[in-house]
Amino acid sequence: KNQVEQSPQSLIILEGKNCTLQCNYTVSPFSNLRWYKQDTGRGPVSLTIMTFSENTKSNGRYTATLDADTKQSSLHITASQLSDSASYICVVSARVGTASKLTFGTGTRLQVTL
Amino acid sequence: DTEVTQTPKHLVMGMTNKKSLKCEQHMGHRAMYWYKQKAKKPPELMFVYSYEKLSINESVPSRFSPECPNSSLLNLHLHALQPEDSALYLCASSPYPPTSGSFYEQYFGPGTRLTVT
Repeated sequence: KNQVEQSPQSLIILEGKNCTLQCNYTVSPFSNLRWYKQDTGRGPVSLTIMTFSENTKSNGRYTATLDADTKQSSLHITASQLSDSASYICVVSARVGTASKLTFGTGTRLQVTL
Repeated sequence: DTEVTQTPKHLVMGMTNKKSLKCEQHMGHRAMYWYKQKAKKPPELMFVYSYEKLSINESVPSRFSPECPNSSLLNLHLHALQPEDSALYLCASSPYPPTSGSFYEQYFGPGTRLTVT
């Protein structure tokens, strides 16, 4: 069964600090992995998409890593800001024949405080 | 225009009401999606439209009825809902349908917060 597990479930950090969110998956056959940021009551917004051959991808203060061998990904947030407070969802796409199927993680709720 | 819009933002309806949620995109995307998201849970896929035809129905109850009038619009008609149907309903679109096997990005709308009383 395809699964995506994220940790921690929730995290509180001080503004300006760095943090790392984890994503472990058992999705197969792997196609790509995405990280989304979702503000409360809003739709998810894509941060990065990574394919099998990519190990690291950055988007401003967000850096995602992917280890396809261990089926792990991380999202590192540098110099956090209050606006980073949101849920971060890891989504893994599996290739099923000619179709693609997404499996969503349960998310990490990040709160950045003063 | 690179966004997906949804109306209304909030909706409160009784169990005997009939209402509709609307979604619109003008990015020329050929696939559109409805998701249901409960609090603190990830989005759950409900329906996928590919080239204006229903391609995926994830065993959704018939009280939810999707409609795709044209390539830019997606509706979700609601009838005889239950209180447990209260959730955030998200619409998304992508350049290509998931059946293409292509690498595609999904763009989500802001959602409609639905409360069934």
